[in-house]
Amino acid sequence: EIVLTQSPGTLSLSPGERATLSCRASQSVSSSYLAWYQQKPGQAPRLLIYAASSRATGIPDRFSGSGSGTDFTLTISRLEPEDFAVYYCQQYVASRTFGQGTKVEIK
Amino acid sequence: EVQLVESGGGVVRPGGSLRLSCAASGFTFDDFGMNWVRQAPGKGLEWVSGINWNAGSTGYADSVRGRFTISRDNPKNSLYLHMHSLRAEDTALYYCVRDHSVLSSSDDAFAIWGQGTMVTVSS
Repeated sequence: EIVLTQSPGTLSLSPGERATLSCRASQSVSSSYLAWYQQKPGQAPRLLIYAASSRATGIPDRFSGSGSGTDFTLTISRLEPEDFAVYYCQQYVASRTFGQGTKVEIK
Repeated sequence: EVQLVESGGGVVRPGGSLRLSCAASGFTFDDFGMNWVRQAPGKGLEWVSGINWNAGSTGYADSVRGRFTISRDNPKNSLYLHMHSLRAEDTALYYCVRDHSVLSSSDDAFAIWGQGTMVTVSS
């Protein structure tokens, strides 16, 4: 099983700041079969990024994904108030597994 | 509007059974793989099971293999999860989730999520 480790566990930032979230895989995620999701309290997760760097439909361009192999990054260029949430990475090259999540909170 | 609506959750005793259903609308159901993902209270996401567009292939997490069975009825635009030998650790919100790509030949990202149905396993 591919284990995904996200860091940091919590990121405390102010609106307008840049957020950088990390996702590290225990084995190579070939063909960049990696996705990122956003989940707000009481809501279902929402797909942000698939194939490591492709934005899903309707996702603002302040969200970007990068990386390959075992190291992946989600960047939010300028945090908007609605971006404070929990973010999960997921691999789908070998079954599917999720990381444990990174909470982005208001500083 | 693309929509997934789950039903069938509830309270069940350990060792009991439950069947979850998911009604899909707003898209061509038999073009997409479907999945169940669960989230225990206050915890992260766990993929439970998936089925491809024509029900020719299914997959399960190790934690549920042999106890849960996924199925679909394409003419009824419906997905199911039959759960047996339920345990306390199966307590979670169960989401019905659609794959991202049409007629995907491999595992895929999760593009559309329902609002979930809660399953509580308790004596």
